[in-house]
Amino acid sequence: SQQGEEDPQALSIQEGENATMNCSYKTSINNLQWYRQNSGRGLVHLILIRSNEREKHSGRLRVTLDTSKKSSSLLITASRAADTASYFCATRYSGAGSYQLTFGKGTKLSVIP
Amino acid sequence: EAQVTQNPRYLITVTGKKLTVTCSQNMNHEYMSWYRQDPGLGLRQIYYSMNVEVTDKGDVPEGYKVSRKEKRNFPLILESPSPNQTSLYFCASSQAGSGSFYGYTFGSGTRLTVV
Repeated sequence: SQQGEEDPQALSIQEGENATMNCSYKTSINNLQWYRQNSGRGLVHLILIRSNEREKHSGRLRVTLDTSKKSSSLLITASRAADTASYFCATRYSGAGSYQLTFGKGTKLSVIP
Repeated sequence: EAQVTQNPRYLITVTGKKLTVTCSQNMNHEYMSWYRQDPGLGLRQIYYSMNVEVTDKGDVPEGYKVSRKEKRNFPLILESPSPNQTSLYFCASSQAGSGSFYGYTFGSGTRLTVV
């Protein structure tokens, strides 16, 4: 079942601007992850945030998590043309022994040079 | 290099002709999974495996089979493919353990067309 839902579905920005993507989910989670997919290629893991964390940084990426609102956001600062890709959030729910990830439908980001 | 290897990359087949998509990982990961990706539907899980000889259905298992005889391999079998199985398929693997705070490593994908 689809748990994460990204918003917006598509986003177009100029190079150098910041890009913000949001993700909402429905049930209690163990952690939330963000992935990037270049057109037709495999997904690449970007960052993982645990349910007891509120913010995490990795290079130009900043992820926030609000478990009370069941939502997360991914901020890419100073975007580059190479950031053009689809971005997916994925949730691992908090049931015992669960290792499954449920993915949203993604946000398609276009960074215009 | 740590990786998940899928083969073939592209496959065109006819309805009803059995096929196997192979998946192999070199990271000694316990957990492996198959997803299909379709426009407008995102990624949907087909089957997953917690370890050797342990497999279970995901969200869309109909028409697929899997096996996990060795830790590194997790083939996806379509016994009688149909056109609605035309899709982009991904294999992924992950460590499993206390807390499950691990990301997935994905293969490059297999684009399957059933005519």
